[in-house]
Amino acid sequence: EAGVVQSPRYKIIEKKQPVAFWCNPISGHNTLYWYRQNLGQGPELLIRYENEEAVDDSQLPKDRFSAERLKGVDSTLKIQPAELGDSAVYLCASSLAFGQQETQYFGPGTRLLVL
Amino acid sequence: AQKITQTQPGMFVQEKEAVTLDCTYDTSDPSYGLFWYKQPSSGEMIFLIYQGSYDQQNATEGRYSLNFQKARKSANLVISASQLGDSAMYFCAMSRLYGYALNFGKGTSLLVTP
Repeated sequence: EAGVVQSPRYKIIEKKQPVAFWCNPISGHNTLYWYRQNLGQGPELLIRYENEEAVDDSQLPKDRFSAERLKGVDSTLKIQPAELGDSAVYLCASSLAFGQQETQYFGPGTRLLVL
Repeated sequence: AQKITQTQPGMFVQEKEAVTLDCTYDTSDPSYGLFWYKQPSSGEMIFLIYQGSYDQQNATEGRYSLNFQKARKSANLVISASQLGDSAMYFCAMSRLYGYALNFGKGTSLLVTP
């Protein structure tokens, strides 16, 4: 079974430029998460989708970040314009609700460097 | 609100020895899940083990076991027979059940020496 796929793996941009990240979750997983991981920290949630609905976007900086999950499968996270402080690893995860256990499986992440 | 505390920034262990990575948590939720993930230098987060708050027995997965002490609010990870490939960052995390986001600690860096 294929895992969570993310692209690109690495991205270097200048500040004020736009950037987009793509995520393809594990087949059949209805819940998709975007996390941001700053250097030396654990990941922090940006947005959570259940199917195509964003059910928790309270931590998403909406002035510059946007996300979508069309047809409840793939998802795209966009930053426009990027700032220096956006340099981080952006992780996508997916899960399938099954009883009480809902393990999240992560993709390899996109390492963003804003210059 | 949920909070995870990992007090060991770095740990060393010799190959084939056992090591315990500490994790304490705080939550007001009656039901929750506790997770451990491994993050090698390549960056991916690898799921290791899960413990539900109502599980009576400690979880085990191969060389990994979770020492769950609910009254003390601790969920320590025990790695038996350490291998060089176990060198990585280890994150403790928790969530409310049924699809909520994970709240992570700051992680512990483990180095396994020959």
